[in-house]
Amino acid sequence: DADVTQTPRNRITKTGKRIMLECSQTKGHDRMYWYRQDPGLGLRLIYYSFDVKDINKGEISDGYSVSRQAQAKFSLSLESAIPNQTALYFCATSDRGVNQPQHFGDGTRLSIL
Amino acid sequence: SQKIEQNSEALNIQEGKTATLTCNYTNYSPAYLQWYRQDPGRGPVFLLLIRENEKEKRKERLKVTFDTTLKQSLFHITASQPADSATYLCALDIWGDSNYQLIWGAGTKLIIKP
Repeated sequence: DADVTQTPRNRITKTGKRIMLECSQTKGHDRMYWYRQDPGLGLRLIYYSFDVKDINKGEISDGYSVSRQAQAKFSLSLESAIPNQTALYFCATSDRGVNQPQHFGDGTRLSIL
Repeated sequence: SQKIEQNSEALNIQEGKTATLTCNYTNYSPAYLQWYRQDPGRGPVFLLLIRENEKEKRKERLKVTFDTTLKQSLFHITASQPADSATYLCALDIWGDSNYQLIWGAGTKLIIKP
């Protein structure tokens, strides 16, 4: 089984819909992250959480919200989806401390029509 | 603002040769730099980390260098194989709002031809 699991893997939806992407991990890591990846651009951080009670905005948090339901679960919501949120979304985890490598799920491909 | 540049064009290398990928950065002095591999339809996978006081790091056929004067890291794969074909991403650490984060390059696609 994958250490970091994202659901769904693919989603097509319409403008204005509310969407939730889910992430669960079995690595026991405290830190979790949500990124989006667009062609030609590096991964951009949306939100991150260093523990269950700690949620922080990343570089591009507008239009997104998150919930850290437990150490192992971190969900990303698009309250009212718009076409420019079409992208590949990744969840990642890492152990505490600096310079820890990040461990990624296999992503959710989201298309907003 | 911080900027990370990796070759946007795909790099084509003959099997058995050494592949060298470049990561350049500006406006920042990272203490650490990480390299990841990403295959189509998959998330990035961590390969190597190098610290600012390390000039070179090796792992099997992989070698990473880090030149803080040039603000550049080079990633080498020796005796390349078709299975090494993938996109390779570099990432630098920053401290934003007192929290540690990584910022990412867009990646270079490496194609190893048999």
